[in-house]
Amino acid sequence: TQLLEQSPQFLSIQEGENLTVYCNSSSVFSSLQWYRQEPGEGPVLLVTVVTGGEVKKLKRLTFQFGDARKDSSLHITAAQPGDTGLYLCAGAGGGSNYKLTFGKGTLLTVNP
Amino acid sequence: DTEVTQTPKHLVMGMTNKKSLKCEQHMGHRAMYWYKQKAKKPPELMFVYSYEKLSINESVPSRFSPECPNSSLLNLHLHALQPEDSALYLCASQKGIRDRGSEQYFGPGTRLTVT
Repeated sequence: TQLLEQSPQFLSIQEGENLTVYCNSSSVFSSLQWYRQEPGEGPVLLVTVVTGGEVKKLKRLTFQFGDARKDSSLHITAAQPGDTGLYLCAGAGGGSNYKLTFGKGTLLTVNP
Repeated sequence: DTEVTQTPKHLVMGMTNKKSLKCEQHMGHRAMYWYKQKAKKPPELMFVYSYEKLSINESVPSRFSPECPNSSLLNLHLHALQPEDSALYLCASQKGIRDRGSEQYFGPGTRLTVT
């Protein structure tokens, strides 16, 4: 069974601060997706990383996939209240790309 | 367009009712999924359809019955549910289950309450 450890589970910060969310596993993933979810809504895809060592930027968000494709991080620069939400990492592994292994999520609150 | 739509947005049903959840995508995706999500938890996979055929049933109780009438539509028929089945039900679609790096796109969900 593949596991994806996501940390921290909860994060409450002030507007303008930086933060990093981590997802770690002992398993290799063929790709890893990051989602953001607001209460009562479905997860919205932010990015997919596929290549080991890959770095992708989406405005103030920077996503990194580990060289061995076992871990990933999401860094947010100068967080804003609109960044508030549940951040989920999800890995697709082996020959069964259909089954995503989700991290437990990071509930981020950015206070004005 | 990466939109997956779901209806209804909210549903309240009694334990003896029969209801259906609907999902639609027009991205030409051949894989569609049903997930169940409890508050502040990650989604849990229920069913996977690939090319309109049921590929995976994650040991879901028979009171949940999926149906894929065509490549764009996915239904989830509900009957004799229990209060613990109350959750956010999410539909997702993907280009294909074997496409490395192809993403799953989620719908907005149906908030189901069983009374």
